[in-house]
Amino acid sequence: NAGVTQTPKFQVLKTGQSMTLQCAQDMNHNSMYWYRQDPGMGLRLIYYSASEGTTDKGEVPNGYNVSRLNKREFSLRLESAAPSQTSVYFCASSVGQPQHFGDGTRLSIL
Amino acid sequence: AQKITQTQPGMFVQEKEAVTLDCTYDTSDPSYGLFWYKQPSSGEMIFLIYQGSYDQQNATEGRYSLNFQKARKSANLVISASQLGDSAMYFCAMNKIKAAGNKLTFGGGTRVLVKP
Repeated sequence: NAGVTQTPKFQVLKTGQSMTLQCAQDMNHNSMYWYRQDPGMGLRLIYYSASEGTTDKGEVPNGYNVSRLNKREFSLRLESAAPSQTSVYFCASSVGQPQHFGDGTRLSIL
Repeated sequence: AQKITQTQPGMFVQEKEAVTLDCTYDTSDPSYGLFWYKQPSSGEMIFLIYQGSYDQQNATEGRYSLNFQKARKSANLVISASQLGDSAMYFCAMNKIKAAGNKLTFGGGTRVLVKP
Protein backbone atom coordinates (compact mmCIF):
# COMPACT_ATOMS: atom_id res chain seq x y z
CA ASN A 1 0.00 0.00 0.00
CA ALA A 2 1.61 3.24 -1.15
CA GLY A 3 -0.91 5.55 0.57
CA VAL A 4 0.18 9.17 0.09
CA THR A 5 3.33 9.68 -1.97
CA GLN A 6 5.24 12.94 -2.03
CA THR A 7 8.04 13.92 -4.38
CA PRO A 8 10.73 15.02 -3.97
CA LYS A 9 11.79 14.10 -0.43
CA PHE A 10 14.44 16.80 -0.25
CA GLN A 11 15.09 19.96 -2.23
CA VAL A 12 17.34 22.99 -1.98
CA LEU A 13 16.36 26.14 -3.85
CA LYS A 14 17.79 29.58 -4.26
CA THR A 15 15.70 32.60 -3.40
CA GLY A 16 13.46 33.50 -6.34
CA GLN A 17 13.42 30.05 -7.92
CA SER A 18 10.15 28.26 -8.53
CA MET A 19 9.24 24.71 -7.72
CA THR A 20 6.29 22.33 -7.67
CA LEU A 21 5.85 19.74 -4.94
CA GLN A 22 3.94 16.68 -6.08
CA CYS A 23 1.48 14.59 -4.09
CA ALA A 24 -0.47 11.52 -5.13
CA GLN A 25 -2.75 9.20 -3.17
CA ASP A 26 -4.05 5.79 -4.14
CA MET A 27 -6.81 5.47 -1.52
CA ASN A 28 -9.57 7.05 -3.63
CA HIS A 29 -9.89 9.87 -1.09
CA ASN A 30 -11.94 12.91 -1.99
CA SER A 31 -10.09 15.50 0.10
CA MET A 32 -6.44 16.45 -0.06
CA TYR A 33 -4.37 18.93 1.95
CA TRP A 34 -1.02 20.68 2.06
CA TYR A 35 0.55 21.58 5.42
CA ARG A 36 3.86 23.06 6.42
CA GLN A 37 5.80 22.31 9.60
CA ASP A 38 8.37 24.76 10.85
CA PRO A 39 11.00 23.67 13.41
CA GLY A 40 9.54 22.90 16.83
CA MET A 41 5.97 23.60 15.73
CA GLY A 42 2.84 21.82 14.75
CA LEU A 43 1.55 21.64 11.20
CA ARG A 44 -0.26 24.57 9.61
CA LEU A 45 -2.64 24.27 6.68
CA ILE A 46 -1.59 25.98 3.45
CA TYR A 47 -4.31 24.91 1.02
CA TYR A 48 -6.81 22.13 0.75
CA SER A 49 -9.07 20.55 -1.82
CA ALA A 50 -12.32 19.22 -0.42
CA SER A 51 -13.10 17.40 -3.66
CA GLU A 52 -11.84 17.14 -7.20
CA GLY A 53 -12.19 20.49 -8.94
CA THR A 54 -12.17 22.65 -5.80
CA THR A 55 -9.39 24.30 -3.83
CA ASP A 56 -9.45 26.65 -0.86
CA LYS A 57 -7.00 28.63 1.21
CA GLY A 58 -5.90 27.49 4.62
CA GLU A 59 -4.16 29.36 7.40
CA VAL A 60 -0.92 30.29 5.58
CA PRO A 61 -1.57 30.45 1.79
CA ASN A 62 0.57 33.45 0.85
CA GLY A 63 3.35 32.62 -1.61
CA TYR A 64 1.78 29.33 -2.72
CA ASN A 65 -0.55 28.03 -5.40
CA VAL A 66 -2.14 24.63 -5.76
CA SER A 67 -3.62 22.47 -8.47
CA ARG A 68 -5.94 19.52 -8.00
CA LEU A 69 -4.98 17.77 -11.19
CA ASN A 70 -7.40 14.87 -10.73
CA LYS A 71 -8.76 12.88 -7.83
CA ARG A 72 -5.36 11.31 -7.12
CA GLU A 73 -3.01 14.28 -7.45
CA PHE A 74 -2.67 17.59 -5.64
CA SER A 75 0.38 19.76 -6.33
CA LEU A 76 1.81 22.74 -4.45
CA ARG A 77 3.73 25.42 -6.31
CA LEU A 78 6.13 28.06 -5.02
CA GLU A 79 6.35 30.71 -7.73
CA SER A 80 9.20 32.71 -6.22
CA ALA A 81 10.75 30.93 -3.26
CA ALA A 82 11.70 32.92 -0.17
CA PRO A 83 13.85 31.87 2.83
CA SER A 84 10.72 32.08 5.02
CA GLN A 85 9.32 29.15 3.06
CA THR A 86 12.07 26.85 4.34
CA SER A 87 10.05 24.12 6.01
CA VAL A 88 8.89 20.54 5.86
CA TYR A 89 5.82 20.16 3.66
CA PHE A 90 3.27 17.44 4.24
CA CYS A 91 0.52 16.32 1.94
CA ALA A 92 -2.48 14.48 3.38
CA SER A 93 -5.69 12.94 2.13
CA SER A 94 -8.94 11.82 3.69
CA VAL A 95 -12.45 10.64 3.24
CA GLY A 96 -14.11 11.35 6.57
CA GLN A 97 -11.67 10.72 9.41
CA PRO A 98 -8.71 10.58 9.85
CA GLN A 99 -6.26 12.25 7.49
CA HIS A 100 -3.42 10.12 6.15
CA PHE A 101 -0.09 11.85 5.64
CA GLY A 102 2.76 11.45 3.22
CA ASP A 103 6.33 11.28 4.49
CA GLY A 104 7.00 14.95 3.82
CA THR A 105 9.26 17.06 1.63
CA ARG A 106 12.12 18.87 3.34
CA LEU A 107 12.61 22.15 1.49
CA SER A 108 15.47 24.58 2.11
CA ILE A 109 15.64 27.97 0.47
CA LEU A 110 18.94 29.78 0.51
CA ALA B 1 -11.70 29.56 14.96
CA GLN B 2 -10.32 26.46 16.58
CA LYS B 3 -7.32 26.35 18.87
CA ILE B 4 -5.29 23.50 20.36
CA THR B 5 -2.96 23.95 23.33
CA GLN B 6 -0.34 21.46 24.45
CA THR B 7 1.34 22.83 27.56
CA GLN B 8 4.05 20.19 27.98
CA PRO B 9 6.93 20.88 25.60
CA GLY B 10 8.81 17.76 26.69
CA MET B 11 8.74 14.95 29.19
CA PHE B 12 10.61 11.87 30.27
CA VAL B 13 8.93 8.58 31.10
CA GLN B 14 10.36 5.35 32.41
CA GLU B 15 9.99 2.33 30.20
CA LYS B 16 6.90 0.24 31.05
CA GLU B 17 5.24 3.11 32.89
CA ALA B 18 2.17 5.02 31.70
CA VAL B 19 2.33 8.62 30.51
CA THR B 20 -0.38 11.23 30.02
CA LEU B 21 -0.01 13.96 27.42
CA ASP B 22 -2.18 17.01 27.95
CA CYS B 23 -4.29 18.66 25.28
CA THR B 24 -6.90 21.38 25.66
CA TYR B 25 -8.94 22.82 22.85
CA ASP B 26 -11.22 25.69 22.07
CA THR B 27 -14.01 25.71 19.51
CA SER B 28 -17.52 27.02 19.09
CA ASP B 29 -18.51 24.17 16.78
CA PRO B 30 -20.78 21.54 18.32
CA SER B 31 -19.51 18.79 16.03
CA TYR B 32 -15.78 18.22 15.98
CA GLY B 33 -13.13 15.56 15.96
CA LEU B 34 -10.03 15.22 18.11
CA PHE B 35 -6.90 13.40 16.99
CA TRP B 36 -3.49 12.38 18.19
CA TYR B 37 -0.57 11.90 15.83
CA LYS B 38 2.90 10.59 16.53
CA GLN B 39 5.95 11.96 14.75
CA PRO B 40 9.11 9.89 15.29
CA SER B 41 12.53 11.28 14.52
CA SER B 42 12.21 9.94 10.97
CA GLY B 43 9.58 12.64 10.41
CA GLU B 44 6.43 10.90 9.25
CA MET B 45 3.04 11.63 10.81
CA ILE B 46 1.40 8.52 12.23
CA PHE B 47 -2.28 8.59 13.18
CA LEU B 48 -2.87 7.13 16.65
CA ILE B 49 -6.41 7.73 17.82
CA TYR B 50 -9.61 9.65 17.11
CA GLN B 51 -12.50 10.89 19.28
CA GLY B 52 -15.66 12.47 17.95
CA SER B 53 -17.37 15.13 20.02
CA TYR B 54 -20.57 13.12 20.23
CA ASP B 55 -18.89 9.83 21.10
CA GLN B 56 -20.09 8.69 24.51
CA GLN B 57 -17.13 6.51 25.33
CA ASN B 58 -13.46 7.39 25.39
CA ALA B 59 -11.57 6.05 22.40
CA THR B 60 -8.99 3.31 22.82
CA GLU B 61 -6.52 1.82 20.35
CA GLY B 62 -4.22 -0.79 21.82
CA ARG B 63 -1.94 0.95 24.33
CA TYR B 64 -3.40 4.36 23.47
CA SER B 65 -6.47 5.83 25.10
CA LEU B 66 -7.98 9.27 24.83
CA ASN B 67 -9.30 10.78 28.04
CA PHE B 68 -12.05 13.01 26.66
CA GLN B 69 -13.55 15.54 29.09
CA LYS B 70 -15.94 17.62 27.04
CA ALA B 71 -16.91 20.10 29.75
CA ARG B 72 -13.25 20.86 30.43
CA LYS B 73 -12.44 20.86 26.70
CA SER B 74 -9.59 18.46 27.19
CA ALA B 75 -8.49 15.43 25.19
CA ASN B 76 -5.50 13.92 26.93
CA LEU B 77 -3.61 10.98 25.45
CA VAL B 78 -2.65 8.14 27.75
CA ILE B 79 0.06 5.73 26.63
CA SER B 80 0.19 2.65 28.80
CA ALA B 81 3.27 0.45 29.29
CA SER B 82 5.66 2.80 27.50
CA GLN B 83 8.18 1.32 25.11
CA LEU B 84 11.45 2.75 23.80
CA GLY B 85 9.79 3.08 20.39
CA ASP B 86 7.29 5.52 21.88
CA SER B 87 10.00 8.19 21.99
CA ALA B 88 8.70 10.82 19.56
CA MET B 89 6.82 14.08 19.16
CA TYR B 90 3.10 13.83 19.80
CA PHE B 91 0.60 16.24 18.30
CA CYS B 92 -2.97 16.84 19.30
CA ALA B 93 -5.22 18.12 16.53
CA MET B 94 -8.87 18.87 15.87
CA ASN B 95 -11.25 19.61 13.03
CA LYS B 96 -14.82 20.57 12.40
CA ILE B 97 -16.72 17.57 11.15
CA LYS B 98 -18.10 18.33 7.72
CA ALA B 99 -18.98 16.38 4.63
CA ALA B 100 -15.63 17.23 3.07
CA GLY B 101 -12.54 19.30 3.65
CA ASN B 102 -11.97 18.44 7.31
CA LYS B 103 -9.11 20.84 7.92
CA LEU B 104 -6.92 20.00 10.91
CA THR B 105 -5.68 22.49 13.48
CA PHE B 106 -2.61 21.27 15.36
CA GLY B 107 -1.11 22.01 18.74
CA GLY B 108 2.56 22.72 19.21
CA GLY B 109 3.42 19.17 20.23
CA THR B 110 4.95 17.35 23.20
CA ARG B 111 8.27 15.55 22.93
CA VAL B 112 8.36 12.26 24.83
CA LEU B 113 11.58 10.47 25.67
CA VAL B 114 11.27 6.96 27.10
CA LYS B 115 14.13 5.97 29.39
CA PRO B 116 15.23 2.32 29.70
